[in-house]
Amino acid sequence: AQSVTQPDIHITVSEGASLELRCNYSYGATPYLFWYVQSPGQGLQLLLKYFSGDTLVQGIKGFEAEFKRSQSSFNLRKPSVHWSDAAEYFCAVAAYSGGGADGLTFGKGTHLIIQP
Amino acid sequence: SQTIHQWPATLVQPVGSPLSLECTVEGTSNPNLYWYRQAAGRGLQLLFYSVGIGQISSEVPQNLSASRPQDRQFILSSKKLLLSDSGFYLCAWSDSRDRVFYGYTFGSGTRLTVV
Repeated sequence: AQSVTQPDIHITVSEGASLELRCNYSYGATPYLFWYVQSPGQGLQLLLKYFSGDTLVQGIKGFEAEFKRSQSSFNLRKPSVHWSDAAEYFCAVAAYSGGGADGLTFGKGTHLIIQP
Repeated sequence: SQTIHQWPATLVQPVGSPLSLECTVEGTSNPNLYWYRQAAGRGLQLLFYSVGIGQISSEVPQNLSASRPQDRQFILSSKKLLLSDSGFYLCAWSDSRDRVFYGYTFGSGTRLTVV
């Protein structure tokens, strides 16, 4: 079974500063990888996903993530954060075999706080 | 286009009462369907998934059950709610077309408070 670790429960960043959220996964083969964002009281919004190909993927809202197979990581980055980026961020993995039918395994999330 | 509907948006139920949350998808056939729960201050946990009518897989033993009476309908139920059943419940389906997997689409969620 796969698992996801987001080592940072909370991260505080100043507005305009760069951001990196860490994600490590455990899976025996190449997984499907996702980053979602959740604003307070809201559902999940997909930021980006990696299935195959170029290991640097671009997403919405200026986010990008890099898949590093050797490190089993899929870290999320943004060069300059905005106050509206304050939210909960979830990394998730799905098994490649079965075409993702078994569903997603989520990390516990990272709460992003933006300082003015 | 494919859409997913989930209702109600919020629900307050007394302990011991029954529960029924419904999720329907449109614009696709034979989708894989999922129920997730997010307890307060915690991550999302997969509760059930279904790859077809009447086929339910349970990931976590609990006070809940799921059913899929129709191809595009997925229902989460409980006979007697517990306080620990409070949380944010999300329905999702996996977007696969012509055997190509594109990802998952989530509903807007139901916030359940058991009192």
